[in-house]
Amino acid sequence: EVQLVESGGGLVKPGGSLRLSCAASGFTFSNAWMSWVRQTPGKGLEWVGRIRSKTDGATTDYAAPVKGRFTLSRDDSKNTLYLQMNSLKTEDTAVYYCTTTLLRWTTYFDNWGQGTLVTVSS
Amino acid sequence: QSALTQPASVSGSPGQSITISCTGTSSDVGGYNYVSWYQQHPGKAPKLMIYDVSNRPSGVSNRFSGSKSGNTASLTISGLQAEDEADYYCSSYTSISNYVFGTGTKVTVL
Repeated sequence: EVQLVESGGGLVKPGGSLRLSCAASGFTFSNAWMSWVRQTPGKGLEWVGRIRSKTDGATTDYAAPVKGRFTLSRDDSKNTLYLQMNSLKTEDTAVYYCTTTLLRWTTYFDNWGQGTLVTVSS
Repeated sequence: QSALTQPASVSGSPGQSITISCTGTSSDVGGYNYVSWYQQHPGKAPKLMIYDVSNRPSGVSNRFSGSKSGNTASLTISGLQAEDEADYYCSSYTSISNYVFGTGTKVTVL
């Protein structure tokens, strides 16, 4: 059974930094493409970014609102995905979900974690 | 990238069929057969219901079906059940190698 457990959320001041982690199990992590998707309180979903597998160059893509501020990385030896968030803004306040794309080169999010809440406020 | 447009709410009685629309542009929905749909119950994580416009993952009821015409994709739920009451979001791959979600639709079972 696929399990994704996010951690690292919390309260941070505008301009601050935070690193989220996603511990994965139940599948071959090194083969999967991984994404972060966020959901603002009471609002809709927003894709944040994706990292491909090392086989596919571990390349990353980001949504325009976070490009240059957020960085995705992965440690396949620890089956863990990371999201480094810098220069945080109040509009980054959201629940952040870790998701899988188990079949490379497909374009959907087949498993989701339970999410971790990030609150950016002074 | 603007969010895909969905109706805010759709309702139906048990046993009825409902359809949720998802309208984008030729740079996303209309340009690729890469539309997916997600169901989200309150306080829960989203769940994949349809991928690549009309394919169902293993374990998803065949009461859920998807289609696309031009820049608009649709999710149909037939034989509506109480457990189908949830929020539904569409998503599409886009021409700039990223993803855009819909605005979300609240489905109410009357």
